[in-house]
Amino acid sequence: ILNVEQSPQSLHVQEGDSTNFTCSFPSSNFYALHWYRWETAKSPEALFVMTLNGDEKKKGRISATLNTKEGYSYLYIKGSQPEDSATYLCALRTGNQFYFGTGTSLTVIP
Amino acid sequence: DAGITQSPRHKVTETGTPVTLRCHQTENHRYMYWYRQDPGHGLRLIHYSYGVKDTDKGEVSDGYSVSRSKTEDFLLTLESATSSQTSVYFCAISEWGAGANVLTFGAGSRLTVL
Repeated sequence: ILNVEQSPQSLHVQEGDSTNFTCSFPSSNFYALHWYRWETAKSPEALFVMTLNGDEKKKGRISATLNTKEGYSYLYIKGSQPEDSATYLCALRTGNQFYFGTGTSLTVIP
Repeated sequence: DAGITQSPRHKVTETGTPVTLRCHQTENHRYMYWYRQDPGHGLRLIHYSYGVKDTDKGEVSDGYSVSRSKTEDFLLTLESATSSQTSVYFCAISEWGAGANVLTFGAGSRLTVL
């Protein structure tokens, strides 16, 4: 069992604010780091997959970075909108298993 | 679209009864997974399969068994349900997306054990 930790557990921001959250993971046995977005009453959906140290990925206002040497990834949301409200999960892939963090619940207040 | 269907979507049962949850996929994906989701724990892997009759345990496999007799179906069985198995169960397959193999999830099955 690998311990993947996310912080903060929850976050409330005003519309237009930028925000970021952290995913920490053991750097040994690293294969890939995934970010998923999970809206209420839906299923998690893949946002990013990162495999190389220093990787940066971007999708619209959301971006992510990866540091495999120190075992962390950041997810950034620029100019948060109410539709960004969701739980953001990170998952460490080792081989064919995926270990999830407990998620960061983001609420964007209009 | 992975075409993942979970059934039943909701079930209420009593302690000690057997329960089987079904995950059906339409696109011949090799890897299939069962996760449970509980407050404060996120998604935890129960079992996964890497082919017909090829399965392996995850981090919370006690009290659960699985079977995969056909590529498209992955069954999760609780031989004798307990209240601690009240949870939402998600099936997932591994498929290409976001530039790599990612998990695509079913809609979830909510199980309540009284």
